[in-house]
Amino acid sequence: NAGVMQNPRHLVRRRGQEARLRCSPMKGHSHVYWYRQLPEEGLKFMVYLQKENIIDESGMPKERFSAEFPKEGPSILRIQQVVRGDSAAYFCASSRTGDEQYFGPGTRLTVT
Amino acid sequence: DQQVKQNSPSLSVQEGRISILNCDYTNSMFDYFLWYKKYPAEGPTFLISISSIKDKNEDGRFTVFLNKSAKHLSLHIVPSQPGDSAVYFCAASAAQGGSEKLVFGKGTKLTVNP
Repeated sequence: NAGVMQNPRHLVRRRGQEARLRCSPMKGHSHVYWYRQLPEEGLKFMVYLQKENIIDESGMPKERFSAEFPKEGPSILRIQQVVRGDSAAYFCASSRTGDEQYFGPGTRLTVT
Repeated sequence: DQQVKQNSPSLSVQEGRISILNCDYTNSMFDYFLWYKKYPAEGPTFLISISSIKDKNEDGRFTVFLNKSAKHLSLHIVPSQPGDSAVYFCAASAAQGGSEKLVFGKGTKLTVNP
């Protein structure tokens, strides 16, 4: 049973470009969560999705950030017009029941 | 406003001894607590969890203790092994509140010396 998959593992974008981060949950998991980790910090919740629904987006910045989890395919975290402060590690997690969340390896976004 | 606090940024322990990692929380709505282990450049790995209806949960070398009145939990690793060296994150959720998002502490870096 493959774990949570994230791609790309590393992403470099210039200021003003768009970043798209993908997450495929574990087989049988229908809950997806996105977290961001800044250097020397813990993980901060961004958004919680189930298939075709955003359940909780209380951690998402109001502008430039969006997330989706379509009926088919991976969950996507999209950052428009990236700025240097968006540089971070972005982790996706999935769960079956909403209890233990299993994390992917993360995408390290660098904005130059 | 940090709802989950890990006040020790680092801990160093000799191989074979007990490692005790501590975590405090402020939100009384939290009812589910988890510990994750993280190596550099990898995602967090789930270790062990505890529901607020329990005060102890054990899994092999790992035991988590919960003291609800003190809003404190701890992770005991015994015996500690060099492979346990990693950053350990405490996390909490308020599932009863309808959202299962996890709130993380900043982590404690554990070093187990051979």
